[in-house]
Amino acid sequence: GQNIDQPTEMTATEGAIVQINCTYQTSGFNGLFWYQQHAGEAPTFLSYNVLDGLEEKGRFSSFLSRSKGYSYLLLKELQMKDSASYLCAVQDSNYQLIWGAGTKLIIKP
Amino acid sequence: ETGVTQTPRHLVMGMTNKKSLKCEQHLGHNAMYWYKQSAKKPLELMFVYNFKEQTENNSVPSRFSPECPNSSHLFLHLHTLQPEDSALYLCASSQEESGGYEQYFGPGTRLTVT
Repeated sequence: GQNIDQPTEMTATEGAIVQINCTYQTSGFNGLFWYQQHAGEAPTFLSYNVLDGLEEKGRFSSFLSRSKGYSYLLLKELQMKDSASYLCAVQDSNYQLIWGAGTKLIIKP
Repeated sequence: ETGVTQTPRHLVMGMTNKKSLKCEQHLGHNAMYWYKQSAKKPLELMFVYNFKEQTENNSVPSRFSPECPNSSHLFLHLHTLQPEDSALYLCASSQEESGGYEQYFGPGTRLTVT
């Protein structure tokens, strides 16, 4: 079967750095997405990786290793507004998105 | 504001009611999606339409019936639902179904079945 694993919840301190991991087992691979979802709101797109390596976008970076079936989202200089759920999703061979259950990130002052 | 709107935002219905959820995208996208989001569970893809043609139906019960009259509008018709169908229903759109196109989500309809 297809499976996306990510931690259920993480806690970090304002101003610090946090890394959210995602491992996947899917039928084929056509890219990996990260989305942010604040409580009561819709998911919003953060990043897309299809090749191995690190993609940096401001305070957020995303890394992919296809051989290991592994990605992480790195958030730097954490702000209180970064408190949200972070969803990892993999596009399989049929271009269908397989979603993880999300990681709830709690930022403490 | 993502360019995807959904109505209603909240809906309470009995198990014998019939209701419809509406989604509209103003982004010129060709693919539209219905998802179900339950607490602490992954997003469940229900239906996909690409260029108005249904391309995915992930074993969704027949009490959910989608309709896509054009590439900008998507409906989800509901009838004889069960309490376990209570969830957040999200609509999304993307430029196309294939490729690395990100999906833009609407705010969702919070559905409660009593």
